[in-house]
Amino acid sequence: GENVEQHPSTLSVQEGDSAVIKCTYSDSASNYFPWYKQELGKRPQLIIDIRSNVGEKKDQRIAVTLNKTAKHFSLHITETQPEDSAVYFCAASTPSGGYNKLIFGAGTRLAVHP
Amino acid sequence: NAGVTQTPKFRVLKTGQSMTLLCAQDMNHEYMYWYRQDPGMGLRLIHYSVGEGTTAKGEVPDGYNVSRLKKQNFLLGLESAAPSQTSVYFCASTETSAYNEQFFGPGTRLTVL
Repeated sequence: GENVEQHPSTLSVQEGDSAVIKCTYSDSASNYFPWYKQELGKRPQLIIDIRSNVGEKKDQRIAVTLNKTAKHFSLHITETQPEDSAVYFCAASTPSGGYNKLIFGAGTRLAVHP
Repeated sequence: NAGVTQTPKFRVLKTGQSMTLLCAQDMNHEYMYWYRQDPGMGLRLIHYSVGEGTTAKGEVPDGYNVSRLKKQNFLLGLESAAPSQTSVYFCASTETSAYNEQFFGPGTRLTVL
Protein backbone atom coordinates (compact mmCIF):
# COMPACT_ATOMS: atom_id res chain seq x y z
CA GLY A 1 0.00 0.00 0.00
CA GLU A 2 0.92 3.66 -0.02
CA ASN A 3 3.74 4.64 2.28
CA VAL A 4 5.51 7.84 3.29
CA GLU A 5 8.91 7.57 4.94
CA GLN A 6 10.31 10.55 6.83
CA HIS A 7 13.86 11.19 8.01
CA PRO A 8 15.36 11.98 10.40
CA SER A 9 13.09 11.12 13.32
CA THR A 10 14.87 13.68 15.50
CA LEU A 11 16.92 16.72 14.55
CA SER A 12 18.82 19.06 16.81
CA VAL A 13 20.26 22.35 15.52
CA GLN A 14 21.66 25.58 16.89
CA GLU A 15 19.64 28.75 16.51
CA GLY A 16 20.41 30.34 13.16
CA ASP A 17 21.37 27.07 11.46
CA SER A 18 19.33 25.46 8.70
CA ALA A 19 17.23 22.33 9.11
CA VAL A 20 16.25 19.86 6.40
CA ILE A 21 13.66 17.11 6.69
CA LYS A 22 13.27 14.58 3.91
CA CYS A 23 10.36 12.37 2.84
CA THR A 24 9.87 9.73 0.21
CA TYR A 25 6.56 8.42 -1.07
CA SER A 26 5.66 5.19 -2.79
CA ASP A 27 2.72 6.01 -5.05
CA SER A 28 3.65 7.83 -8.25
CA ALA A 29 0.04 9.07 -8.52
CA SER A 30 0.51 11.27 -5.43
CA ASN A 31 -0.12 14.87 -6.42
CA TYR A 32 -0.15 17.03 -3.31
CA PHE A 33 2.40 17.25 -0.51
CA PRO A 34 1.58 19.26 2.63
CA TRP A 35 3.77 19.80 5.69
CA TYR A 36 2.27 20.15 9.15
CA LYS A 37 3.84 21.53 12.31
CA GLN A 38 2.72 20.28 15.70
CA GLU A 39 3.86 22.09 18.82
CA LEU A 40 3.88 20.19 22.10
CA GLY A 41 0.34 19.44 23.23
CA LYS A 42 -1.20 21.26 20.28
CA ARG A 43 -2.96 20.30 17.07
CA PRO A 44 -1.12 19.87 13.74
CA GLN A 45 -1.22 22.96 11.55
CA LEU A 46 -0.36 23.37 7.89
CA ILE A 47 2.79 25.39 7.29
CA ILE A 48 3.43 24.90 3.58
CA ASP A 49 2.31 22.66 0.74
CA ILE A 50 3.27 21.90 -2.84
CA ARG A 51 1.47 20.41 -5.80
CA SER A 52 3.02 17.88 -8.13
CA ASN A 53 3.27 20.36 -11.02
CA VAL A 54 5.66 22.58 -9.04
CA GLY A 55 9.28 21.82 -8.16
CA GLU A 56 9.83 24.32 -5.37
CA LYS A 57 7.83 26.68 -3.16
CA LYS A 58 9.07 29.19 -0.64
CA ASP A 59 7.40 31.13 2.16
CA GLN A 60 9.78 33.37 4.10
CA ARG A 61 12.17 31.02 6.00
CA ILE A 62 10.44 27.86 4.88
CA ALA A 63 10.78 26.12 1.52
CA VAL A 64 9.69 22.80 0.09
CA THR A 65 11.25 21.01 -2.87
CA LEU A 66 9.78 18.14 -4.85
CA ASN A 67 11.53 15.60 -7.06
CA LYS A 68 8.77 13.62 -8.76
CA THR A 69 11.16 11.31 -10.58
CA ALA A 70 12.79 10.18 -7.35
CA LYS A 71 9.55 10.50 -5.35
CA HIS A 72 11.29 12.69 -2.79
CA PHE A 73 10.23 15.94 -1.18
CA SER A 74 11.96 17.99 1.48
CA LEU A 75 11.29 20.78 3.96
CA HIS A 76 13.98 23.41 4.41
CA ILE A 77 13.95 25.84 7.32
CA THR A 78 16.58 28.58 7.27
CA GLU A 79 17.72 30.80 10.12
CA THR A 80 16.05 28.56 12.67
CA GLN A 81 14.60 30.06 15.83
CA PRO A 82 13.64 28.44 19.15
CA GLU A 83 9.96 28.78 18.22
CA ASP A 84 10.59 26.44 15.28
CA SER A 85 10.99 23.62 17.82
CA ALA A 86 8.12 21.20 17.16
CA VAL A 87 7.26 17.93 15.45
CA TYR A 88 6.98 18.23 11.67
CA PHE A 89 4.93 15.82 9.56
CA CYS A 90 5.11 15.41 5.82
CA ALA A 91 2.19 13.90 3.93
CA ALA A 92 1.35 12.72 0.43
CA SER A 93 -2.11 12.89 -1.12
CA THR A 94 -3.17 10.35 -3.72
CA PRO A 95 -6.43 10.17 -5.72
CA SER A 96 -8.29 6.98 -4.81
CA GLY A 97 -11.83 6.20 -5.95
CA GLY A 98 -13.08 9.79 -6.03
CA TYR A 99 -11.37 10.66 -2.78
CA ASN A 100 -7.85 11.99 -2.15
CA LYS A 101 -6.16 9.84 0.48
CA LEU A 102 -3.63 11.63 2.69
CA ILE A 103 -0.84 9.50 4.15
CA PHE A 104 1.40 11.01 6.84
CA GLY A 105 5.03 10.34 7.61
CA ALA A 106 6.00 9.33 11.15
CA GLY A 107 7.21 12.82 12.05
CA THR A 108 10.49 14.62 12.82
CA ARG A 109 11.07 16.16 16.23
CA LEU A 110 13.08 19.36 15.67
CA ALA A 111 14.85 21.00 18.58
CA VAL A 112 16.39 24.44 18.07
CA HIS A 113 18.84 25.36 20.82
CA PRO A 114 19.54 29.02 21.65
CA ASN B 1 -15.61 30.75 14.07
CA ALA B 2 -14.56 28.04 16.48
CA GLY B 3 -13.14 25.90 13.65
CA VAL B 4 -12.94 22.24 14.67
CA THR B 5 -13.78 21.31 18.25
CA GLN B 6 -13.58 17.97 20.05
CA THR B 7 -15.27 16.63 23.16
CA PRO B 8 -13.95 15.46 25.60
CA LYS B 9 -10.34 16.63 25.92
CA PHE B 10 -9.30 13.77 28.19
CA ARG B 11 -10.83 10.44 29.17
CA VAL B 12 -9.79 7.37 31.10
CA LEU B 13 -11.65 4.13 30.41
CA LYS B 14 -11.46 0.62 31.76
CA THR B 15 -11.06 -2.26 29.32
CA GLY B 16 -14.43 -3.19 27.88
CA GLN B 17 -16.11 0.17 28.47
CA SER B 18 -17.60 2.14 25.63
CA MET B 19 -17.49 5.81 24.75
CA THR B 20 -18.17 8.29 21.97
CA LEU B 21 -15.89 11.12 20.88
CA LEU B 22 -17.61 14.09 19.32
CA CYS B 23 -16.15 16.29 16.60
CA ALA B 24 -17.86 19.45 15.40
CA GLN B 25 -16.89 21.94 12.68
CA ASP B 26 -18.47 25.25 11.77
CA MET B 27 -16.75 25.77 8.41
CA ASN B 28 -19.37 23.93 6.34
CA HIS B 29 -16.74 21.39 5.24
CA GLU B 30 -17.86 18.31 3.36
CA TYR B 31 -15.01 16.01 4.41
CA MET B 32 -14.28 14.94 7.96
CA TYR B 33 -11.69 12.54 9.33
CA TRP B 34 -10.70 10.74 12.51
CA TYR B 35 -7.02 10.03 13.13
CA ARG B 36 -5.11 8.46 15.96
CA GLN B 37 -1.63 9.61 16.89
CA ASP B 38 0.80 7.28 18.57
CA PRO B 39 4.48 7.98 19.37
CA GLY B 40 6.72 7.38 16.37
CA MET B 41 3.82 6.51 14.07
CA GLY B 42 2.49 9.82 12.87
CA LEU B 43 -1.19 10.26 12.17
CA ARG B 44 -3.12 7.22 11.02
CA LEU B 45 -6.58 7.50 9.50
CA ILE B 46 -9.29 5.55 11.30
CA HIS B 47 -12.44 6.49 9.38
CA TYR B 48 -13.50 9.35 7.17
CA SER B 49 -16.65 10.87 5.68
CA VAL B 50 -17.12 12.55 2.31
CA GLY B 51 -20.45 14.09 3.27
CA GLU B 52 -23.48 13.93 5.54
CA GLY B 53 -24.72 10.38 5.91
CA THR B 54 -21.56 8.77 4.50
CA THR B 55 -18.64 7.03 6.20
CA ALA B 56 -15.71 4.94 5.02
CA LYS B 57 -12.85 2.96 6.53
CA GLY B 58 -9.33 4.33 6.73
CA GLU B 59 -6.04 2.59 7.53
CA VAL B 60 -6.86 1.37 11.07
CA PRO B 61 -10.67 1.03 11.42
CA ASP B 62 -10.88 -2.10 13.59
CA GLY B 63 -12.52 -1.54 16.98
CA TYR B 64 -14.07 1.79 15.96
CA ASN B 65 -17.36 2.91 14.47
CA VAL B 66 -18.40 6.31 13.17
CA SER B 67 -21.51 8.24 12.23
CA ARG B 68 -22.13 11.47 10.31
CA LEU B 69 -25.82 12.22 10.84
CA LYS B 70 -25.29 15.96 10.51
CA LYS B 71 -22.83 17.69 8.20
CA GLN B 72 -21.15 19.54 11.04
CA ASN B 73 -20.68 16.56 13.36
CA PHE B 74 -18.59 13.39 13.11
CA LEU B 75 -18.78 10.88 15.96
CA LEU B 76 -16.21 8.21 16.76
CA GLY B 77 -17.35 5.29 18.89
CA LEU B 78 -15.44 2.66 20.80
CA GLU B 79 -17.82 -0.19 21.65
CA SER B 80 -15.44 -2.20 23.84
CA ALA B 81 -12.26 -0.29 24.64
CA ALA B 82 -8.90 -2.09 24.68
CA PRO B 83 -5.52 -0.89 26.02
CA SER B 84 -4.26 -0.82 22.40
CA GLN B 85 -6.69 2.04 21.81
CA THR B 86 -4.82 4.28 24.23
CA SER B 87 -3.86 7.19 22.00
CA VAL B 88 -4.47 10.81 21.12
CA TYR B 89 -7.38 11.16 18.73
CA PHE B 90 -7.62 14.03 16.28
CA CYS B 91 -10.56 15.02 14.18
CA ALA B 92 -10.02 17.05 11.00
CA SER B 93 -12.09 18.58 8.24
CA THR B 94 -11.54 19.89 4.71
CA GLU B 95 -13.65 21.65 2.13
CA THR B 96 -12.70 19.06 -0.50
CA SER B 97 -10.23 16.21 -0.41
CA ALA B 98 -7.92 17.58 -3.13
CA TYR B 99 -5.20 20.16 -2.50
CA ASN B 100 -6.90 21.36 0.66
CA GLU B 101 -5.59 22.08 4.13
CA GLN B 102 -6.91 19.74 6.78
CA PHE B 103 -8.06 21.69 9.81
CA PHE B 104 -7.50 19.71 12.99
CA GLY B 105 -9.31 19.77 16.29
CA PRO B 106 -7.43 20.09 19.59
CA GLY B 107 -7.32 16.35 20.20
CA THR B 108 -8.68 13.92 22.78
CA ARG B 109 -6.24 12.03 24.98
CA LEU B 110 -7.71 8.62 25.75
CA THR B 111 -6.24 6.13 28.19
CA VAL B 112 -7.62 2.61 28.43
CA LEU B 113 -6.60 0.74 31.57
